Amino acid sequence: QKEVEQNSGPLSVPEGAIASLNCTYSDRGSQSFFWYRQYSGKSPELIMSIYSNGDKEDGRFTAQLNKASQYVSLLIRDSQPSDSATYLCAVNEGLSSNFGNEKLTFGTGTRLTIIP
Amino acid sequence: GAGVSQSPSNKVTEKGKDVELRCDPISGHTALYWYRQRLGQGLEFLIYFQGNSAPDKSGLPSDRFSAERTGESVSTLTIQRTQQEDSAVYLCASSLGPAGGLQGTQYFGPGTRLTVL
Repeated sequence: QKEVEQNSGPLSVPEGAIASLNCTYSDRGSQSFFWYRQYSGKSPELIMSIYSNGDKEDGRFTAQLNKASQYVSLLIRDSQPSDSATYLCAVNEGLSSNFGNEKLTFGTGTRLTIIP
Repeated sequence: GAGVSQSPSNKVTEKGKDVELRCDPISGHTALYWYRQRLGQGLEFLIYFQGNSAPDKSGLPSDRFSAERTGESVSTLTIQRTQQEDSAVYLCASSLGPAGGLQGTQYFGPGTRLTVL
């Protein structure tokens, strides 16, 4: 049973500070990792994807992947009230077209609140 | 371009009735997924279609749930003899390629909110 674990929160961060969201996964074969943001009552939208160990930066967002520790994180710098949402970690197994292992496993999400 | 669309946006039904939910994926996307999200909960995988391959139905919670997809276009999720526990938001997503590949980014539709009375 593949599992993706996230702290459900809520995580409260002052405006302008760095928000750090963490995710662990159980399947050592996982190769693709995604962070989605979901505003209340809305659908998830992709924030970041990462496939290799290390950091990947996109604007105020940095994804960090450590496959040895089976750990992926999302950092949000200069947090804004508009960043308040639930952040979903999703993990997939395999970069090949091996059908049957294609679906994403989502964590239950971390609710982030940015305090003005 | 147009994103993933779903209809209806809201559906209220009585226990025991059948419902059909529709998903129109992004044009050209070969992969289509259905998820269920109960209030305050995470995403629960239901079913996955990839091109003309047999669908992965491993997430369907019971035989009351079924889904069809015509080629690489529209999909319908059918719930027979609905129960109150089926009340949730049903989300559809599509991706250009298989989830395991670099074209696997999933784009979600707005969802259908199903309420079973």
